[in-house]
Amino acid sequence: KAGVTQTPRYLIKTRGQQVTLSCSPISGHRSVSWYQQTPGQGLQFLFEYFSETQRNKGNFPGRFSGRQFSNSRSEMNVSTLELGDSALYLCASSPENFGLPEEKLFFGSGTQLSVL
Amino acid sequence: AQSVTQLDSHVSVSEGTPVLLRCNYSSSYSPSLFWYVQHPNKGLQLLLKYTSAATLVKGINGFEAEFKKSETSFHLTKPSAHMSDAAEYFCVVSEAGTALIFGKGTTLSVSS
Repeated sequence: KAGVTQTPRYLIKTRGQQVTLSCSPISGHRSVSWYQQTPGQGLQFLFEYFSETQRNKGNFPGRFSGRQFSNSRSEMNVSTLELGDSALYLCASSPENFGLPEEKLFFGSGTQLSVL
Repeated sequence: AQSVTQLDSHVSVSEGTPVLLRCNYSSSYSPSLFWYVQHPNKGLQLLLKYTSAATLVKGINGFEAEFKKSETSFHLTKPSAHMSDAAEYFCVVSEAGTALIFGKGTTLSVSS
C-alpha cells in the first residue's frame, strides 16, 4: 500500500504570493489533517478534513485554508505569503478517527516551503 | 486543555546503553498518547500509541513506553541504543481523536 504522498517536495515563493500544497492519503483513509513545523514553534495543527468537511481547525489566520475532494485527496492553500510561513508542512491520514484504539495516524514526508 | 512537556531537549547515549526520553502530559479526559520519531529530512513515523488498553505499550524497533496516570507521565525507553536510533522524538497527546498536540521534541544522539 502506498503511503501518504505530498507534492511538491520543495517550494520557493516570494512574499505576497499564494501557494497550494497537495496531499494524497493512504488508500481507504478518509481523514486528512495538516500540520506546520517550524524551528521556533515546533509542530502545530492546522486543520483536519473528513469526508470533504472540515472537522477540526487549529489557531491559524484565515490566510490558511484547505479542502478535501471526494477521493479524499486534500489541498491546503496559503494566500498572501509572509516570511514566517516558511516551514515544513506535513499531511497525515487515518481511516476514520485516529483517536480510536485500532487506528493510527500516518504522516507524509512533507512539503518544505521557503518564502523569500 | 491538553499539553505535553518533554523534559529534555537533548539526550546523548552510547551505543548499547539504555535510552530514556521523558514526557509529562496534561489532559482533562482520558487521552491518547503517542511517540513519533523524525529522522532528518523525513516525515514522522509512529513508534507507539497508548489508548488505555494496557499501561505498558510496546512499539517498533524495541521501544516501549509506560503510561503512569498518577505521575501524568509517558516516558519512552529502549534497553539498548543503536546508532540508527539517532533522531528527533516527539511525545504527543490527543483527546478523542481531535488535533495532535506535540511536545517540543527531544533530540537523541547516539555515539559509538
